[in-house]
Amino acid sequence: DAGVIQSPRHEVTEMGQEVTLRCKPISGHDYLFWYRQTMMRGLELLIYFNNNVPIDDSGMPEDRFSAKMPNASFSTLKIQPSEPRDSAVYFCASSFRQGARASGANVLTFGAGSRLTVL
Amino acid sequence: GDSVTQMEGPVTLSEEAFLTINCTYTATGYPSLFWYVQYPGEGLQLLLKATKADDKGSNKGFEATYRKETTSFHLEKGSVQVSDSAVYFCALSEWNTDKLIFGTGTRLQVFP
Repeated sequence: DAGVIQSPRHEVTEMGQEVTLRCKPISGHDYLFWYRQTMMRGLELLIYFNNNVPIDDSGMPEDRFSAKMPNASFSTLKIQPSEPRDSAVYFCASSFRQGARASGANVLTFGAGSRLTVL
Repeated sequence: GDSVTQMEGPVTLSEEAFLTINCTYTATGYPSLFWYVQYPGEGLQLLLKATKADDKGSNKGFEATYRKETTSFHLEKGSVQVSDSAVYFCALSEWNTDKLIFGTGTRLQVFP
């Protein structure tokens, strides 16, 4: 398996522009997570999906951020309009829990990240 | 709420030195505990995990023991290598949630 695939790897844009980050999870995984990493705030969970349904979006900073998962093999994170404070590395991760949690630990596999710079 | 606290970095060591990175957690239930590692320019990778008290996770010479009485999960390695230079993240996941909560990360720098 190629792992979790994210694109673009790097994005430089101007304030006010729309940004779309893309993620292809590992085939067969039923959970998908979006994280943001900055020096000041570390790793923050933005939103996660189970079986393509958003479960918890409490980490989404504000209405400028939106995420979708139209099918099991694709998710997007959109920022519109972008601001300089959105500059960060955005990670997508996926995992397989097979429904009931039981005693299993949820092990996430991360993509390489998308580095966003908003000027 | 649940949280993870890690020691501040960077940790700077010479090759073959002993490594300890401290991690403590706050949780309302019975979490699973993890260490992830991030090499430059890459995403996080699972290093090891433990799912219940007194479990010891180990991988690539790294070890961590789940200590419920001290709510700790310290990472150790007996002899570090230059290739271990990376950022290490402690994380927890409660039994009743699918979310992973990360600490702030500790940068390790190993010099020859």
